Parts: sequence; C-alpha cells; structure tokens
Amino acid sequence: DVKVTQSSRYLVKRTGEKVFLECVQDMDHENMFWYRQDPGLGLRLIYFSYDVKMKEKGDIPEGYSVSREKKERFSLILESASTNQTSMYLCASSLLQGTPNQPQHFGDGTRLSIL
Amino acid sequence: AQSVTQLDSQVPVFEEAPVELRCNYSSSVSVYLFWYVQYPNQGLQLLLKYLSGSTLVKGINGFEAEFNKSQTSFHLRKPSVHISDTAEYFCAVSQRGSGNTGKLIFGQGTTLQVKP
Repeated sequence: DVKVTQSSRYLVKRTGEKVFLECVQDMDHENMFWYRQDPGLGLRLIYFSYDVKMKEKGDIPEGYSVSREKKERFSLILESASTNQTSMYLCASSLLQGTPNQPQHFGDGTRLSIL
Repeated sequence: AQSVTQLDSQVPVFEEAPVELRCNYSSSVSVYLFWYVQYPNQGLQLLLKYLSGSTLVKGINGFEAEFNKSQTSFHLRKPSVHISDTAEYFCAVSQRGSGNTGKLIFGQGTTLQVKP
C-alpha cells in the first residue's frame, strides 16, 4: 500500500514565523501535491510538483512556497505565517505525469493553527 | 477550466436507508471523474473513478456512481447506508488528454450523517 506521511498531525505557530510542513511518500511517485482544506471550500491546490526540483503554482499559492529536493519528499513553507493560514493541510502523491487515471494518495493531514 | 459543484453540503439519513450525493461539473474538455471519502481525522481515500466505458461505476464499501454526460453529472449512490459511512465525500475531476498534469479539481464536499 502507498503510504503518504505528514510529519505533524497538529501544529501551533505564531504570526510571522516561518513554518515548514513536511510530506514523505514511499512509492516512488513522480507527482506530489499540497492542498488546503477549509469548511465549505473543499480542497484547494496550493502547489504541485511532477519531478525533483520542479514545481508549479496551484490555485492559491500566495504566501506559500515549496521545496522538492528528493523525489520522496515535498515540503510546504509558509514564509511568514498569518492567521488566515490557519487550516488543514493535506499532502498527496500520484504516479506519473500525464496519466490522470492514477489516483492521488493522501496523508492524514496537518491541522495548523496560527496564533 | 473545470469546476465541480456538490449540490448538498450536508445529507442526514437514517441507517439502512438509501442515499444519493449529487455532483455536477463544468468543463470545456473531456474529464475523468472521481469520488473520494474522508473519515474523521483522516486523509482522503478513493471510493471510485470513471475513466471510460460503462457509465455505471462500482466502488468500495457498496458505493456506485453514474456518469451522465448530457447532464454533466456524476452522482454517488448507496442502497443501504451504515453508521460507519458517516464521513465527508468529495467529487473531483481531472482533464483528459495532453493538457493533463494529474491535477484534480475538487467540489466543496458533502457531509453524510448517518443516524441510528
């Protein structure tokens, strides 16, 4: 089974802090994704990556950046955390660019609170 | 561009009753269609997907969905629900063809509340 592991289930940070959310997958997937989940808004894509050192903006990239130095690891960075970034963050991975019939596999999420 | 609308934010239903969760999509190109489920305090897992062929798709846990191209819908159904089906359900689409990047567009989610 594919396993996507997010480093923290719950995280509390202060405004202005630089925050790192880590995600690791163990199935050699090329694609990795970061989503934000808010009530009534569903999942919104922040960034995705289809290869090491490659990244593309999703629908809501403002205030975020990402890093993919190794194939199995995809990090989401909040450069200067703000209270409106309090949310649930979900990481996902999938096999091969250009094969949309491959499902995305999700981690259990990180619930981030910015005080 | 694609968009997905889940017509009900919450669906309360009694145990052993049938249920339908509605999903409509909008797209200028052909799409693949997915339903995901999120149990409390967990990530999403795939229930079923429509890629091609038969418009009636069967998934895990007794769920099925029907693709209706003329109505651009992909409604999820189960003939008899259990308490354990209480969860949030997400409909999603991805673009077919050479323009696809593996990205999914999600609906807003529907919370299924199964009552005893």
